[in-house]
Amino acid sequence: NAGVTQTPKFQVLKTGQSMTLQCAQDMNHEYMSWYRQDPGMGLRLIHYSVGAGITDQGEVPNGYNVSRSTTEDFPLRLLSAAPSQTSVYFCASRQPGEETQYFGPGTRLLVL
Amino acid sequence: RKEVEQDPGPFNVPEGATVAFNCTYSNSASQSFFWYRQDCRKEPKLLMSVYSSGNEDGRFTAQLNRASQYISLLIRDSKLSDSATYLCVVTHGSGNTGKLIFGQGTTLQVKP
Repeated sequence: NAGVTQTPKFQVLKTGQSMTLQCAQDMNHEYMSWYRQDPGMGLRLIHYSVGAGITDQGEVPNGYNVSRSTTEDFPLRLLSAAPSQTSVYFCASRQPGEETQYFGPGTRLLVL
Repeated sequence: RKEVEQDPGPFNVPEGATVAFNCTYSNSASQSFFWYRQDCRKEPKLLMSVYSSGNEDGRFTAQLNRASQYISLLIRDSKLSDSATYLCVVTHGSGNTGKLIFGQGTTLQVKP
């Protein structure tokens, strides 16, 4: 199993550009989440999904959209990038009833 | 006030020392508790779960005090390889929503 994969690893955007951060998992997990990590802030939940077709907002959803058309994929879309969205983004997945949440390697995003 | 609070540290300790981290949570409905470990510029990984009865895994002991709403992690005989950031994590809410709430992390540096 590849586990949780994220692309790209690094990205530089200009203010106002849009882009999609890709996340995929091959463990057939129902739950998937997107977090951002900023210095001194820990991981903050952006959006999450408890199954295909079902998404909900987390703590910091503004400026981001998600969709979950399949169990495997959970892309995160930045509609109009802002410097405040400069961060490290982690995707994660977990199976209901299991304790371990598996994280992808992260995407480092710089918005100029 | 953050829902999960940790002292960010850093905790600088010599090899062989015993070190303890505490974490407090504000939501009394919190149901599950974990410690995750994050190495520099890497994704978080589950270290251990925390149960009311306590949980021990080798040199690591985790405790939960529901009445006082705090969680602790004790590391005995610290190794250089224990240097990392330790994240306190809780879940809450009715049903099994899959949402994990992270503290900002406590940084440990073990010196030779």
